[in-house]
Amino acid sequence: RKEVEQDPGPFNVPEGATVAFNCTYSNSASQSFFWYRQDCRKEPKLLMSVYSSGNEDGRFTAQLNRASQYISLLIRDSKLSDSATYLCVVRLHGKSTFGDGTTLTVKP
Amino acid sequence: NAGVMQNPRHLVRRRGQEARLRCSPMKGHSHVYWYRQLPEEGLKFMVYLQKENIIDESGMPKERFSAEFPKEGPSILRIQQVVRGDSAAYFCASSPSTDSNQPQHFGDGTRLSIL
Repeated sequence: RKEVEQDPGPFNVPEGATVAFNCTYSNSASQSFFWYRQDCRKEPKLLMSVYSSGNEDGRFTAQLNRASQYISLLIRDSKLSDSATYLCVVRLHGKSTFGDGTTLTVKP
Repeated sequence: NAGVMQNPRHLVRRRGQEARLRCSPMKGHSHVYWYRQLPEEGLKFMVYLQKENIIDESGMPKERFSAEFPKEGPSILRIQQVVRGDSAAYFCASSPSTDSNQPQHFGDGTRLSIL
């Protein structure tokens, strides 16, 4: 079993749609959690940190459930520019473990 | 530019040669991490360094790969006697402290191609 598992994707949605990505992790000692996006295998860019209380940044909402070892990302009102691969990242003692990513394509 | 700087952006080597990849962390960051992304795969952790110390090298292949982060200068990822399977994108990231809540910021990566 992989340490971090994500929805296999790909997700193809129309502009304006709401889309949700899920991620589970196996190590209950994991300390911190993030969502990154990667465009065309360029450098990963931080999208947002994920907290147990849930956090929102504009159209993006992230949620962490430590009991279930589950992380989610919700994107509302999808834009063409949201097309990318979304990476779930779990950290422990500095080491980051990446999920394989979920590819999102937003179509006009 | 205060971001993580990696060079070269692209590196071509023949089998058996050595590859040296450099990473200068963001200003004020003393922690450096190297990741590798093979074609069609996700990013995989290789090594975590602080100045003059290797903290965690659990993701580094046991042979041919080494990393350092000297007191002065950039962090270096060195691959000796490269093989075709070393072709990948190598990303460096940095953070300011050991606080796991501090996100890591990535450089543009070095694309290594082995002929």
